[in-house]
Amino acid sequence: GAVVSQHPSWVICKSGTSVKIECRSLDFQATTMFWYRQFPKQSLMLMATSNEGSKATYEQGVEKDKFLINHASLTLSTLTVTSAHPEDSSFYICSAREGNDSPLHFGNGTRLTVT
Amino acid sequence: LAKTTQPISMDSYEGQEVNITCSHNNIATNDYITWYQQFPSQGPRFIIQGYKTKVTNEVASLFIPADRKSSTLSLPRVSLSDTAVYYCLVGRNTGGFKTIFGAGTRLFVKA
Repeated sequence: GAVVSQHPSWVICKSGTSVKIECRSLDFQATTMFWYRQFPKQSLMLMATSNEGSKATYEQGVEKDKFLINHASLTLSTLTVTSAHPEDSSFYICSAREGNDSPLHFGNGTRLTVT
Repeated sequence: LAKTTQPISMDSYEGQEVNITCSHNNIATNDYITWYQQFPSQGPRFIIQGYKTKVTNEVASLFIPADRKSSTLSLPRVSLSDTAVYYCLVGRNTGGFKTIFGAGTRLFVKA
């Protein structure tokens, strides 16, 4: 089946630094990928839609300059949390569809802790 | 986007059948119903998807009435390892369709 891989699975960084999270579709191509954020005991919140070869589309309230998304190829999207602060600590999850008529497949998430 | 409503939590015992019902009154004609399972610190895992009537796979069944305004995920003979959050999602399966998560149902399976 379709596999979405995220890297790293966890990262700890200092306040003010930037962190890049990679999302790869391992055995299929994805023109669109989605980034979610999840706080403890809460549901997933859609942050942005990553579009291959064009700009990402951000949900209301998500700062595009803080959460930089790059979808440079059909199998890779990256999310960079710039100038991270403790309130950015969260679980970040990406997803993609293998094609039309396919459900979303999710990566295993990245736990970001900003100290 | 069709909104979904599920029970916040459910308790069960090992070996029992668990049915989780999801309401989606404003489901659109082209929308599918998809259920996911999520364990702590992991991404959601696809369980089952359907459009109408009944769908069954090796882990679950999905019952969808004719009006499609609700659906029921049935987990046969649950075990402790089925303790997780279950999400009911409604939407199209086209590549760029945004999927919005509801609160989900926390299932606790007891010994």
